[in-house]
Amino acid sequence: DSGVTQTPKHLITATGQRVTLRCSPRSGDLSVYWYQQSLDQGLQFLIQYYNGEERAKGNILERFSAQQFPDLHSELNLSSLELGDSALYFCASSGPGLGTYNEQFFGPGTRLTVL
Amino acid sequence: DQQVKQNSPSLSVQEGRISILNCDYTNSMFDYFLWYKKYPAEGPTFLISISSIKDKNEDGRFTVFLNKSAKHLSLHIVPSQPGDSAVYFCAARRALNFGNEKLTFGTGTRLTIIP
Repeated sequence: DSGVTQTPKHLITATGQRVTLRCSPRSGDLSVYWYQQSLDQGLQFLIQYYNGEERAKGNILERFSAQQFPDLHSELNLSSLELGDSALYFCASSGPGLGTYNEQFFGPGTRLTVL
Repeated sequence: DQQVKQNSPSLSVQEGRISILNCDYTNSMFDYFLWYKKYPAEGPTFLISISSIKDKNEDGRFTVFLNKSAKHLSLHIVPSQPGDSAVYFCAARRALNFGNEKLTFGTGTRLTIIP
């Protein structure tokens, strides 16, 4: 158990819909990262938050947005869903400080299926 | 643009023998490298890391070697055990600026240990 929690574990929805994925970081971690893993692909970095502020952005679609709340949990919002958005979405956390050598600890992921 | 490559999608090794997983990268700005292990239905678990100032890091049965001139790293597992059967991801990081800690992942190698 990494200490990072993600809900829900599975999500099945239809094209055009909007969903929210939730992540709670390890106690004391201030950084939260979101990654997407499509079939047979590596994990693709989406976005990083540190202590409530956006820190870095990857290949995140405009239809996707995220935020980190004062209690440090984070939500990833996916809207106007398309079939190609079906993937595993992982949240990771690290910290408490910013540093080059902080390992990231991953949650169990949310499997999103868009029908 | 696949900056981190794991060219072997799968590898089978006899229990007790050495497992060698390989990873190549193209971005010379990467300065920190990590290996993660992933079991089905779980998030990636941090295994071992190495910074670019070293060429070897050892932790129990796991050793990571870094050849910067060749832009190549490898993970050695000795001796291999059935519980090592998993997908192994190589990841790399570069400090674009302080606090930008996104990881760039390879596509993974599925290791199967044969009893």
